[in-house]
Amino acid sequence: DTGVSQDPRHKITKRGQNVTFRCDPISEHNRLYWYRQTLGQGPEFLTYFQNEAQLEKSRLLSDRFSAERPKGSFSTLEIQRTEQGDSAMYLCASSLPTDTQYFGPGTRLTVL
Amino acid sequence: ILNVEQSPQSLHVQEGDSTNFTCSFPSSNFYALHWYRWETAKSPEALFVMTLNGDEKKKGRISATLNTKEGYSYLYIKGSQPEDSATYLCAFIGYGGSQGNLIFGKGTKLSVKP
Repeated sequence: DTGVSQDPRHKITKRGQNVTFRCDPISEHNRLYWYRQTLGQGPEFLTYFQNEAQLEKSRLLSDRFSAERPKGSFSTLEIQRTEQGDSAMYLCASSLPTDTQYFGPGTRLTVL
Repeated sequence: ILNVEQSPQSLHVQEGDSTNFTCSFPSSNFYALHWYRWETAKSPEALFVMTLNGDEKKKGRISATLNTKEGYSYLYIKGSQPEDSATYLCAFIGYGGSQGNLIFGKGTKLSVKP
């Protein structure tokens, strides 16, 4: 157990529905990252926060994706109007600046 | 586009065998290389963070080396055990890029048979 938790662990949804995932980082970590892993690929960076500020977003993060970290603690990742191509493992990680990133167990999303 | 390559893609060994994997990364603008172990249904576990050319790190039966000039890192497992079965990921961070977002390879999936 790394101390980073994610909820839910699995989500099955129908195409067109909205889904929201939550990540609780290690409490003293001010950086929080979201990654996505699709079948046969390594995890790919989506976005990261330093405290409550979203400092970078990958071009992979389409307009249907939005992430928040309102109080600089937990974060949510919302996908609107899901598509089958959104099926993936969504990983969250947290760290201190320039330090090792500690990952949660991921949320596996299946879009039918 | 920065590319991180890992080989082999998968590996099947017998308990007690020693094994090694390769991670290749861009040799320019190197900042750090991370190794993670990811067991099924668990969180990826950080193994090593390597920053200096010639660095060697060890954790139990697992060790890693780093060559930043030629852009590769090796991960070694001595006397593999069934509990070593996992996917081993390497991830690169370069200078001038994002502040810490990891660029991952596709991983090497290791299966150790008892």
